[in-house]
Amino acid sequence: DQQVKQNSPSLSVQEGRISILNCDYTNSMFDYFLWYKKYPAEGPTFLISISSIKDKNEDGRFTVFLNKSAKHLSLHIVPSQPGDSAVYFCAASAGSNYKLTFGKGTLLTVNP
Amino acid sequence: NAGVTQTPKFQVLKTGQSMTLQCAQDMNHEYMSWYRQDPGMGLRLIHYSVGAGITDQGEVPNGYNVSRSTTEDFPLRLLSAAPSQTSVYFCASRFGQGNEKLFFGSGTQLSVL
Repeated sequence: DQQVKQNSPSLSVQEGRISILNCDYTNSMFDYFLWYKKYPAEGPTFLISISSIKDKNEDGRFTVFLNKSAKHLSLHIVPSQPGDSAVYFCAASAGSNYKLTFGKGTLLTVNP
Repeated sequence: NAGVTQTPKFQVLKTGQSMTLQCAQDMNHEYMSWYRQDPGMGLRLIHYSVGAGITDQGEVPNGYNVSRSTTEDFPLRLLSAAPSQTSVYFCASRFGQGNEKLFFGSGTQLSVL
């Protein structure tokens, strides 16, 4: 049973436009959400996070939105750059639980 | 500034062989974990540890053993490798509980023939 779902395996956008990556979750106990970025042959790196007490968090070109009632979060990248081309993983955790559950990832390609 | 160090980067095994994937971190993190990444499957948790002497199973623990004798090291053992264990393995660590970000190593690409 997949608790964190990224239903789009891939996304292609033009440089300068907005990239929107989506993530849905089923476990209502999840209260902390993170996005990781992964380049080929490297480990994932932390990008941005959001707590369930917020509905938005910004960090430069990256904004994460959380809709708790819909159990949905999204990552917006504005403007998109070719260097943003990577696999993006959504992840979630519940309270004091140590485990971090990941989605399957979305491959973002930003075309020059 | 080493962070999380994994060795080896690449490994080829024959079915039935055993080996240990090494992971070390120099950030004094309590929590360490092993994930495997397979095409179309994302990152799946194998085993994790919340401190020296304490380990627990993740989502896909079968075929793997772990131990945590020191804060710094968290090796992953394959006792009898199977082709289904062909994957990319990532070690990750962090301070404390789930609301802290994980730091990942660069991965070990394992092929079992």
